[in-house]
Amino acid sequence: GAVVSQHPSRVICKSGTSVKIECRSLDFQATTMFWYRQFPKQSLMLMATSNEGSKATYEQGVEKDKFLINHASLTLSTLTVTSAHPEDSSFYICSARPTGPNQPQHFGDGTRLSIL
Amino acid sequence: AQSVTQLDSQVPVFEEAPVELRCNYSSSVSVYLFWYVQYPNQGLQLLLKYLSGSTLVKGINGFEAEFNKSQTSFHLRKPSVHISDTAEYFCAVSDNSGGYQKVTFGTGTKLQVIP
Repeated sequence: GAVVSQHPSRVICKSGTSVKIECRSLDFQATTMFWYRQFPKQSLMLMATSNEGSKATYEQGVEKDKFLINHASLTLSTLTVTSAHPEDSSFYICSARPTGPNQPQHFGDGTRLSIL
Repeated sequence: AQSVTQLDSQVPVFEEAPVELRCNYSSSVSVYLFWYVQYPNQGLQLLLKYLSGSTLVKGINGFEAEFNKSQTSFHLRKPSVHISDTAEYFCAVSDNSGGYQKVTFGTGTKLQVIP
């Protein structure tokens, strides 16, 4: 149980392209989903917290207009990297926390984004 | 504020030998503690978690961890490792004060199992 599906797993595109990444909780409802970025040989850095039906909460230093987050339902959150540039190349991972107390986050398999 | 320290960036160990991956945390409030494993080019998989109760927590794949409040540690152990355990392991902490329980991750420890 508690499966999180993230799509696509890999994206290679030209600079200036916008890229959308989907995160779905397949067998549970998630009021809250999280988006992380992982640089090579580093830990996960929380970018934003996505709340169903409301605006996302961004961490300090993360550009809201650059990384658009939409949490339209209890099972789907999307991250759109707008006008991507080479410095946006990274491994992006989403997680979802089942509704209810004391629930850990469950992670997707990540999306490797490469901007040429 | 909370933080997690994983002092060992890499741990090489021979197959079938025991291993301990160290994790220390700091927080001004009570916490939940987690260990996650990440295989190459994949997301994170939850190994085990400590929420409350018994300080010795057993997880998947034969791993266990012990919560030591006085030493603010949550070290991960396995008595006999396999080649398939080669991966990166992340310790994480979240405060248990409610809300969305923001999780802070350590920098990770790469476990390399040597045949």
